[in-house]
Amino acid sequence: QVQLQESGPGLVKPSETLSLICTVSGDSISSGHYWGWIRQPPGKGLEWIGSIYHSGSTYYNPSLKSRVTMSADTIKNQFSLKMTSVTAADTAVYYCARDRITSAAQNWFDPWGQGTLVTVSS
Amino acid sequence: SYELTQPPSVSVSPGQTASITCSGNKLGDKYTSWYQQKAGQAPVLVIYQDTKRPSGIPERFSGSNSGNTATLTISGTQPLDEADYFCQAWDSSTAVFGGGTKLTVL
Repeated sequence: QVQLQESGPGLVKPSETLSLICTVSGDSISSGHYWGWIRQPPGKGLEWIGSIYHSGSTYYNPSLKSRVTMSADTIKNQFSLKMTSVTAADTAVYYCARDRITSAAQNWFDPWGQGTLVTVSS
Repeated sequence: SYELTQPPSVSVSPGQTASITCSGNKLGDKYTSWYQQKAGQAPVLVIYQDTKRPSGIPERFSGSNSGNTATLTISGTQPLDEADYFCQAWDSSTAVFGGGTKLTVL
């Protein structure tokens, strides 16, 4: 059974960098899938942030691309998210998920981690 | 940028059929996925590739996609199906989510 677990600070100051790690168990991040980050502001909908392949290949949401960097650590079976210059608008629950991107230009997210709330406040 | 539009809310009586729509330009030319999110929980995939159900998802969940609209149908809706539902598609190397539909079973 594949499980994902997000970890990282729950509070980040404005203008600083948000850093999260997703630890995967039950599957290898080198298994041929992409791995993604999705966020959800309190009471709002889902927003895709980006997805990464174990080789380092990435897809990013164009609206966040200038502030986001994702990386993968195949030894630790983890992938990570860094988002710079955060503001209160970046306050959200951040989820990591396995991203089943296929060659037919389609994808779906399954399974998801439980999510971690990150609050941006001084 | 590509947009997916969902009705904010849908209501259904227990045992009846609920239909939740997701609209986007030529959405039928893409594959749509659907996610169920119960209060305080992470989303769960219920439909992928328009019509496929992951293992463990009840048969009462089905999907279709044609023209500009994808539809999630829940037959014989149960109170435990009350949740937010999000559609999602892939366009121009970007994953896009609909705004979500709150399904109320009453």
